[in-house]
Amino acid sequence: GDSVTQMEGPVTLSEEAFLTINCTYTATGYPSLFWYVQYPGEGLQLLLKATKADDKGSNKGFEATYRKETTSFHLEKGSVQVSDSAVYFCALRSSGYSTLTFGKGTMLLVSP
Amino acid sequence: GAVVSQHPSWVICKSGTSVKIECRSLDFQATTMFWYRQFPKQSLMLMATSNEGSKATYEQGVEKDKFLINHASLTLSTLTVTSAHPEDSSFYICSAPRDPEAFFGQGTRLTVV
Repeated sequence: GDSVTQMEGPVTLSEEAFLTINCTYTATGYPSLFWYVQYPGEGLQLLLKATKADDKGSNKGFEATYRKETTSFHLEKGSVQVSDSAVYFCALRSSGYSTLTFGKGTMLLVSP
Repeated sequence: GAVVSQHPSWVICKSGTSVKIECRSLDFQATTMFWYRQFPKQSLMLMATSNEGSKATYEQGVEKDKFLINHASLTLSTLTVTSAHPEDSSFYICSAPRDPEAFFGQGTRLTVV
C-alpha cells in the first residue's frame, strides 16, 4: 500500500536559517504529492502541491520538487521565520477521490 | 479557493452524552468526505469515509456504533460521537477531496469530562 516517510522532529532552528524536511514515499502509479501545515489548535492548511514528476510546488517561500527517480518530495525554505513554527505533514494521494496518506508530521520550532 | 467549514471548533461534554460535529463544503459539492482523529503530537488517523447517499466506510478498529456518520447532502457530513467517554477526547478533523487535493476543516477539539 501507499506510505509516506518523513523525518522525525522536532526540528529546531534559529530565525533566518535554512530549512529542509525530508519526505519519501511509496505508491503505485503516479500520485499527487502535498505538504500541509498545521498551526497549534488548528486544522490542516495546504502549503504546496505537485501533481507530476519534476513539478515544483512553491508557496510563502517554501518549495518542494516531485522527484520520481528518488520517490522524494523534500520541503525547503531559504530563511525561516518564527511564524513558520508549526507541524508539517507530507502526504500523497493516488487517485481522484481516495484519501490522503500522511507522514507522521514534523514539528518545526523557530527561535528568534 | 475551496473551503471546508467544521463546527464546533471545540466542545466539552459529560460522559455518556452524545456530540455531533458538522463538516460542510462551502463552495463545492463533496460526494465523499473523510473523518480523521488526531492524538496529541501524532499524525492524522483516518477513521471513516463518508459517502453521500450510502453508508460510511469505517477503518479497521473504529466502532461504527460509537462514531455515527451521516452524509445528508452533497455539502454536509456529520460525525456523532455517541455515549462519549474520556478516552474519546481528541481532535477530530474532516476533509473533502477536490481533485487533485483535499481541503480540511478547522478541526474540533472534543473534551469529555
